[in-house]
This record gives sequence, C-alpha cells and structure tokens, in this order.
Amino acid sequence: GAGVSQSPSNKVTEKGKDVELRCDPISGHTALYWYRQRLGQGLEFLIYFQGNSAPDKSGLPSDRFSAERTGESVSTLTIQRTQQEDSAVYLCASSLGGYREQYFGPGTRLTVT
Amino acid sequence: AQSVAQPEDQVNVAEGNPLTVKCTYSVSGNPYLFWYVQYPNRGLQFLLKYITGDNLVKGSYGFEAEFNKSQTSFHLKKPSALVSDSALYFCATGGGGSYIPTFGRGTSLIVHP
Repeated sequence: GAGVSQSPSNKVTEKGKDVELRCDPISGHTALYWYRQRLGQGLEFLIYFQGNSAPDKSGLPSDRFSAERTGESVSTLTIQRTQQEDSAVYLCASSLGGYREQYFGPGTRLTVT
Repeated sequence: AQSVAQPEDQVNVAEGNPLTVKCTYSVSGNPYLFWYVQYPNRGLQFLLKYITGDNLVKGSYGFEAEFNKSQTSFHLKKPSALVSDSALYFCATGGGGSYIPTFGRGTSLIVHP
C-alpha cells in the first residue's frame, strides 16, 4: 500500500514569509508525528497527534510553529515569519499508535534565504 | 525523562566483517527500543524493535539487536557487512508512559569494499 507522503519535497522561501508543509499518513494510522532534522543532526520532535486527542505540542520551538490534523488524515505544519534557522528537513511519520514503529515520509527540505 | 546515547558518530568496517553500532538508553520502567536506518537522500526506515520477549531481536536486511537490561544497551549488529549497508543509523527509545520516542543523534556506518 501507499506509504507516508509529504509535499512539497523542496521549498525555498524568503525570510519572513509563511510556509505550509503537508503530510499524508498511511491510511488507518492513528498516530502522526512531525520532526525536524537539521543537517548532520538527529531528529528533533515537534508535535504528536493521536486520534482525536489534543496534540502534544511540547516540541514546538516557538509560537511561529503550529500544526493541525483533521481526524486521522492529513496534517499540515505551518511556520510563520520564517527565519534562517528554520532551514532543515521536516519529517512526518505515522504509526498504529502506542509503542508501534513509525513509518516516515521522505521529508520536506526547507531553505530560508 | 528518557534518553538515548549513540556514542559513536561514525563506524568504519570492511565488507564481510561483522559490524556493531552501539546504543544505550535511559527510561523509567520498561523500555521500547527501535532501530531505524536512513539511506542517502531517502527517508528513515524501520529496521527492528524490542518490546518484550527474547533479548535477541532479528530485523530487516540481516540486522539484529541485543537487548541488555543490566547494561541498558541495545546494540545493532550484523554478522557480515555489505557496502550497501552504508547509511545513517538511529536508535530510539520509548516507554515510561510516553508515546513520543526519543531518537539518538545517529551513527554513520561506512562499509569499505
């Protein structure tokens, strides 16, 4: 079946502009995660959705970052007033929930100029 | 709080030799442990996991990992390395009531022909 998809694959934006990143999880996966991966570094947790529960936003680095998910489907990560330090690969992952393994999308490479 | 340490930024091994990529963890209660692999320009892929049961876990591509509770380790191993195993490997841990895994910084595995 189809895996996790993300769009766009690449995004170049000017400092100060807003960007929206999209994630389509695997159908039936109740859990969805967003991570940030800076060049040469590990994964930085951003936000976690589980079904219809309130999301865990504890990893969002500032109030410029927000995310939404409609039910158990598509999620969007929005970064307002982008800064150069926001440049990174943004990864989305979904799972069946609990302590199950995650399935990752290919990521969106964001470059802020 | 949970944490994961991958003490080696890079591991070099000759093709055909056994390989080990190290991981130690700290979790309250029973840990859930994962290994993921990231090939160049591709997303992360799940390799294997330990939830409970046998301490030796077998996964994809001939990899295995050994859970050692007394040493709080979950080292990734393969009896005979292939050049195609060259990639970035991430250890992750969950548990202690949190469904948000913590990822290590990653270890770059380089297999020389």
